[in-house]
Amino acid sequence: NAGVMQNPRHLVRRRGQEARLRCSPMKGHSHVYWYRQLPEEGLKFMVYLQKENIIDESGMPKERFSAEFPKEGPSILRIQQVVRGDSAAYFCASSPLGTDQETQYFGPGTRLLVL
Amino acid sequence: AQTVTQSQPEMSVQEAETVTLSCTYDTSESDYYLFWYKQPPSRQMILVIRQEAYKQQNATENRFSVNFQKAAKSFSLKISDSQLGDAAMYFCALNTGGFKTIFGAGTRLFVKA
Repeated sequence: NAGVMQNPRHLVRRRGQEARLRCSPMKGHSHVYWYRQLPEEGLKFMVYLQKENIIDESGMPKERFSAEFPKEGPSILRIQQVVRGDSAAYFCASSPLGTDQETQYFGPGTRLLVL
Repeated sequence: AQTVTQSQPEMSVQEAETVTLSCTYDTSESDYYLFWYKQPPSRQMILVIRQEAYKQQNATENRFSVNFQKAAKSFSLKISDSQLGDAAMYFCALNTGGFKTIFGAGTRLFVKA
C-alpha cells in the first residue's frame, strides 16, 4: 500500500512533555500538509511543506509547534510542552508536484491525548 | 476570505434510498476545486469525489454524484442506493489551486437498515 503513512496512530502524553508525529507521503508526492481536527469539527490547515522548505505555516500556533520535512525521511510535526488543548487528531496529507497538486490524499491520522 | 458551509449537522437515510448533502462556499477566485471527503468511524479521511470549477459537467463516481451550481456557489453530494457502509461524517472542501484546503464543519450521515 503506497498511501500516506502516519505514526504513531495514537499518542498519549502528559502535560509538559513533547509529542512527535511522523508522516511519510505517498510515493512520488513532494508536498506535505498538516491539519488538526478538534472533536466534532472539520480539519484546520496548519502548515505546508516541500522537501527542506516550509512554504506556509500560517495555520500553526507561533509557540511550541514546529514542522520539518527533511531531504531524507518523513515529515515531523513537533509539539513541545504539550497542554490539554493540544488533544486532537492530526492529519497529514500529500499531493504530487504539478498537475493534480490541489488534490490532497490523507493519512490515517494521529490521535494525540494529553493527560 | 474563503469559506465552506455545511448547514446540515446530521442527516439520515434508509438503506437503498437516495440522500443529498448540502454545501455552499465562498471564494473570489474564478478557478478552484471542490471535494467531498468521507470520514468513517475509523476517522480515516477518504476522498469521495472532486470537481474542477471550470468544468460544467457534474462529477460522478459510481453511486456518488454532485450537483455543482457555480453561480449559486453550491456543491451538493448525492448518494444513491445508500449502503450501511456509507454511514460516516462527510466533509465538503474547497481548494483554490494553492496549498490550503478549506473544510466545512461536516455532516454526519446515518444509514438505517
